[in-house]
Amino acid sequence: SQQGEEDPQALSIQEGENATMNCSYKTSINNLQWYRQNSGRGLVHLILIRSNEREKHSGRLRVTLDTSKKSSSLLITASRAADTASYFCATAPIWGNNRLAFGKGNQVVVIP
Amino acid sequence: DARVTQTPRHKVTEMGQEVTMRCQPILGHNTVFWYRQTMMQGLELLAYFRNRAPLDDSGMPKDRFSAEMPDATLATLKIQPSEPRDSAVYFCASGLVRADLAKNIQYFGAGTRLSVL
Repeated sequence: SQQGEEDPQALSIQEGENATMNCSYKTSINNLQWYRQNSGRGLVHLILIRSNEREKHSGRLRVTLDTSKKSSSLLITASRAADTASYFCATAPIWGNNRLAFGKGNQVVVIP
Repeated sequence: DARVTQTPRHKVTEMGQEVTMRCQPILGHNTVFWYRQTMMQGLELLAYFRNRAPLDDSGMPKDRFSAEMPDATLATLKIQPSEPRDSAVYFCASGLVRADLAKNIQYFGAGTRLSVL
């Protein structure tokens, strides 16, 4: 089954800096989503980008999608200590069964 | 503020004991997912339901795991007998499936942290 894989796996940055993480996948998708997980909590949906979209913004988040390269990137601008979390990409298959295939996550630490 | 509720939040049990985890999906959602999260394997899909019917439980060890939805407000995941390798965080998620697949967002509960000794 398809699976998103994030890169880099761990990122440590200073507050105020931008954080960028990438995700690659293997098969055709309907959409790609990014989720955040704070320590000890469940995943929280951040943003969804459809296969026919190339870029999407939500607040300090910017997501890009390149279906020809089967990759996506998540940019968090002006990071805050509260952004410290694991970030997961998840892909929805083109033929619907409503499942999502999650990557292994990308740990981001924002140092105050 | 609608949310997915999971109980218990923590469970410590001995090998061989039965474990039951419960999930109350968001009212009106028609799909429920059970995941297991470990450091080694990441997030694994165990089973999922749509309109209370099991659609796929291929990710679940059938000999010891079972998942049910007795009604629209309750999903359960049982392990019998439990083993130390079952130690993990188990998440329930729910979502509203529409004809438009581009809105298949999942809403996660806080998880049940299971330790089998």
